[in-house]
Amino acid sequence: ETGVTQSPTHLIKTRGQQVTLRCSSQSGHNTVSWYQQALGQGPQFIFQYYREEENGRGNFPPRFSGLQFPNYSSELNVNALELDDSALYLCASSRKQGSTEAFFGQGTRLTVV
Amino acid sequence: DQQVKQNSPSLSVQEGRISILNCDYTNSMFDYFLWYKKYPAEGPTFLISISSIKDKNEDGRFTVFLNKSAKHLSLHIVPSQPGDSAVYFCAAMTTDSWGKLQFGAGTQVVVTP
Repeated sequence: ETGVTQSPTHLIKTRGQQVTLRCSSQSGHNTVSWYQQALGQGPQFIFQYYREEENGRGNFPPRFSGLQFPNYSSELNVNALELDDSALYLCASSRKQGSTEAFFGQGTRLTVV
Repeated sequence: DQQVKQNSPSLSVQEGRISILNCDYTNSMFDYFLWYKKYPAEGPTFLISISSIKDKNEDGRFTVFLNKSAKHLSLHIVPSQPGDSAVYFCAAMTTDSWGKLQFGAGTQVVVTP
């Protein structure tokens, strides 16, 4: 039971460009969280959206922004890309209340050159 | 500031034997802990969790132990199977921050025949 899909699966961008990553949440899940996983590290929490509002943010600069839509799909936008933004970006959906499990998508591998 | 630490980057174990994965945390506010398994090119999948009000939780071959005084938890897999070869992540959160997970760096488990 995952049902969380992300697009695209791979992406190459040039430093300074902007990128939009997409996530389709599992049916019935109204909360989506985004994570950045650099090579050899664990996922780092970027932010969470609940019912279309940002509901907590990790230690990431404002050039990382997001949106959640009425159908609970979500976007992660990164402006002014830097080489260090190269990573696997994961989204995870969950029910806000009573659920302690987050279901992850397969991720988008972003390479900044 | 890494609040969740997995100090063993890799573990090799023989099929049929026990795998023991360790995780330490520094934030005493964490009250819920999870283990995720990740195969290459896939997102992390939930394995097992434990609340801070318990010291043990079991699900089939997987058992998680929590020692709050030592801020330490461990995952036991018995018996280990070749399909268990994956990266295992320990994660923690506070229950007033559902879905905002802090992850360790992961432990690569290889189960040999």
